[in-house]
Amino acid sequence: EVQLVESGGGLVQPGGSLRLSCAASGFPLSSYWMTWVRQAPGKGLEWVANINEDGSEKYFVDSLKGRLTISRDNAKNSLYLQMNSLRAEDTAVYYCARARNFLSAWGQGILVTVSS
Amino acid sequence: EIVLTQSPGTLSLSPGERATLSCRASQSVSSSFLAWYQQKPGQAPRLLIYGASNRAPGIADRFSGGGSGTDFTLTISRLEPEDFAIYYCQQYDSSHSLTFGGGTKVEIK
Repeated sequence: EVQLVESGGGLVQPGGSLRLSCAASGFPLSSYWMTWVRQAPGKGLEWVANINEDGSEKYFVDSLKGRLTISRDNAKNSLYLQMNSLRAEDTAVYYCARARNFLSAWGQGILVTVSS
Repeated sequence: EIVLTQSPGTLSLSPGERATLSCRASQSVSSSFLAWYQQKPGQAPRLLIYGASNRAPGIADRFSGGGSGTDFTLTISRLEPEDFAIYYCQQYDSSHSLTFGGGTKVEIK
């Protein structure tokens, strides 16, 4: 069974940093692009970043460039999202998802709250 | 950046009725890269349709997708109680970015 499980969320102060993790199982992570998507409370879906199979290509939404790092460790079946200089508007549920052109599997999401 | 506009914002229908959801792109989208998702409260989105018209594994055949260029549709032939949810379209483009539409909420009338 394909499973994606996010962790690392929580409450962080404005200007702080957070590293989200996504543990993958049930499929060969090394064969797939991976994507992060977020959803602010009561709002729609927003693409955040994606990364190719070996981590050599990375793409970010323009509004977040410079504050994010996406990485992966295929040996550990894990995907990561490092977020810096967090703002209140970054408060959202963050999802990891499999693939890039269409997202065939999603994690359950992890809540990140940016507040003092 | 390609903008996807979904309409209507809310669709009020009764079980058994047909639902037709629209997704319009600001510029032409490859049909290969147009997808639809369903999201229920408190849950992650679920892939319904990919490549504009291909049902994802396990998706009931009452769901169908169509369209090309800038106009795409998701049709639910006969609404079941579990189909009341929010639906998003999504496209992927040559710059490796994804964009989502704003969503259509299908609610019980």
